[in-house]
Amino acid sequence: NAGVMQNPRHLVRRRGQEARLRCSPMKGHSHVYWYRQLPEEGLKFMVYLQKENIIDESGMPKERFSAEFPKEGPSILRIQQVVRGDSAAYFCASSPDRGDYGYTFGSGTRLTVV
Amino acid sequence: GQQLNQSPQSMFIQEGEDVSMNCTSSSIFNTWLWYKQDPGEGPVLLIALYKAGELTSNGRLTAQFGITRKDSFLNISASIPSDVGIYFCAGQPTSGTYKYIFGTGTRLKVLA
Repeated sequence: NAGVMQNPRHLVRRRGQEARLRCSPMKGHSHVYWYRQLPEEGLKFMVYLQKENIIDESGMPKERFSAEFPKEGPSILRIQQVVRGDSAAYFCASSPDRGDYGYTFGSGTRLTVV
Repeated sequence: GQQLNQSPQSMFIQEGEDVSMNCTSSSIFNTWLWYKQDPGEGPVLLIALYKAGELTSNGRLTAQFGITRKDSFLNISASIPSDVGIYFCAGQPTSGTYKYIFGTGTRLKVLA
């Protein structure tokens, strides 16, 4: 029973390129969350999605960032025209409900912008 | 916005010692979670607390949901080297809200 799968584990992008981060939730989980962790800091909420719907994207920067969770396939967090400040660990989590009982995190994607 | 103050920020302890860390907020939370993060990995849920005053154990770990609903603590008894990592508290601000506010973490290092 695989957990939350994220890929790639590490991603290096030059400034101005696009970064695509993928997340497959646990089997049976239809709620997906993305969090960002800057070095030496806690996790910050970015976006909450259910299948084909963005429920809350209040934590996501208004420009360059987008997220989707299509009917088929993984959830994607997309960052266009990356800048150095986007370097961080991006964690995806999933839950079978609205997360009242916590959720399960993946191992993260560590994005480095050079 | 709401913030969680977690202390201590880091600690070195000898193997076999007990460890205490806590998390405080100026706001009320309905749920407290404690996670552990190993280097290069995602956070793993250790304990979840749902009611004020609740005391819950998971092996050598014990956590409590403060009576005021503004704090929580985590104790680790008889620490071992594999307890090394970063411990995060996370609070759910209001009932039914899926967002969690995370503390900045307590970095634990165990000296054998």
